[in-house]
Amino acid sequence: DAKTTQPPSMDCAEGRAANLPCNHSTISGNEYVYWYRQIHSQGPQYIIHGLKNNETNEMASLIITEDRKSSTLILPHATLRDTAVYYCIVRNNNAGNMLTFGGGTRLMVKP
Amino acid sequence: GAVVSQHPSWVICKSGTSVKIECRSLDFQATTMFWYRQFPKQSLMLMATSNEGSKATYEQGVEKDKFLINHASLTLSTLTVTSAHPEDSSFYICSARGGQGFTGELFFGEGSRLTVL
Repeated sequence: DAKTTQPPSMDCAEGRAANLPCNHSTISGNEYVYWYRQIHSQGPQYIIHGLKNNETNEMASLIITEDRKSSTLILPHATLRDTAVYYCIVRNNNAGNMLTFGGGTRLMVKP
Repeated sequence: GAVVSQHPSWVICKSGTSVKIECRSLDFQATTMFWYRQFPKQSLMLMATSNEGSKATYEQGVEKDKFLINHASLTLSTLTVTSAHPEDSSFYICSARGGQGFTGELFFGEGSRLTVL
């Protein structure tokens, strides 16, 4: 799976949009971009994933650049409960393919 | 999303004893489950891939005789930490691929925190 690079930490004001960047310059054509987050002492929570097109769900939006070498996860109105470590992972969707976690970005949402 | 449940959520045991952790997919069948462990302030590290009806595949450096994995049904995988020692104290997390209706995303259990005294 392609390696990803994320800033180790970010702060965001409560109620503002949180934009979390991820670089994946070696991504291959059949690899998806996945985002998970892990709140302290819990298992990771699936947020969103995409291949080429931008995606949106009830939790977040995922913006993937046209060359697919980077992406941004957007939490439109961050709350204190969004404080977590956010992991950007690229992988193909083979049935037996696990997720390989990097260091992630520790997002701190502040009042 | 699909629901994966682990039990127990936390356990404390004496050194030398064995501990079993269960991972269940509650609303879907999972032919493959993954076991991870996470030490404090570190990321998740894959330990093994559990395949229903066959032997698990272990990552390099993970002792298969110490971390016994059984995936006897499509909804249950178990991880047994045998002869646990304090260095085995960690957060153990399982995951499973979502079933029909999902497009490849993995879902994770709540995690099981093991403390070996």
